[in-house]
Amino acid sequence: QKEVEQNSGPLSVPEGAIASLNCTYSDRGSQSFFWYRQYSGKSPELIMSIYSNGDKEDGRFTAQLNKASQYVSLLIRDSQPSDSATYLCAVGGGGSYIPTFGRGTSLIVHP
Amino acid sequence: EAGVAQSPRYKIIEKRQSVAFWCNPISGHATLYWYQQILGQGPKLLIQFQNNGVVDDSQLPKDRFSAERLKGVDSTLKIQPAKLEDSAVYLCASSFPGTSSEQFFGPGTRLTVL
Repeated sequence: QKEVEQNSGPLSVPEGAIASLNCTYSDRGSQSFFWYRQYSGKSPELIMSIYSNGDKEDGRFTAQLNKASQYVSLLIRDSQPSDSATYLCAVGGGGSYIPTFGRGTSLIVHP
Repeated sequence: EAGVAQSPRYKIIEKRQSVAFWCNPISGHATLYWYQQILGQGPKLLIQFQNNGVVDDSQLPKDRFSAERLKGVDSTLKIQPAKLEDSAVYLCASSFPGTSSEQFFGPGTRLTVL
């Protein structure tokens, strides 16, 4: 069974710092990787997708993928209090057709 | 562009009662997903449709849960009879075909079973 592991946190960082969120996955054949942000009481919102090894940057967000280590991370630069949310890692494709989510990491950005 | 629509937004029922949730995906999205999200956990896939066919329902508790997507657009998820442990948010998402595609979520239905 495909597994996606995340530290549940909470991860607490001061405003303006870099927040680093990590995710590992078990299915070596996985092909697509996503980061979703979920505010309390709201539905997940896609913020980044990455499909090949290396870094992908979008504004203050950078996703990093290392398929050899089965590891994907999300960096948030210049963290703002509005970034406080749960960040879900999701993995798709590969041998198992079921898209799988991690349990999420709670991020708290304090002023 | 309209997003994924779901109704109702909230539902409170007693155990052993039945409940149904409705989802209308983004226009043109052939793939539709139903997820169950229990408080403090990530979304768990219940069933995935491609047009009106089931791609995967291996994690759907078929003794009490059922889902259909008769015309390849709207979908309904039903629970009959409900148990206390079914209390969760039920999320519908849609995407272009394939699990490599980005999914877009509806607002969810929060179900409380008393």
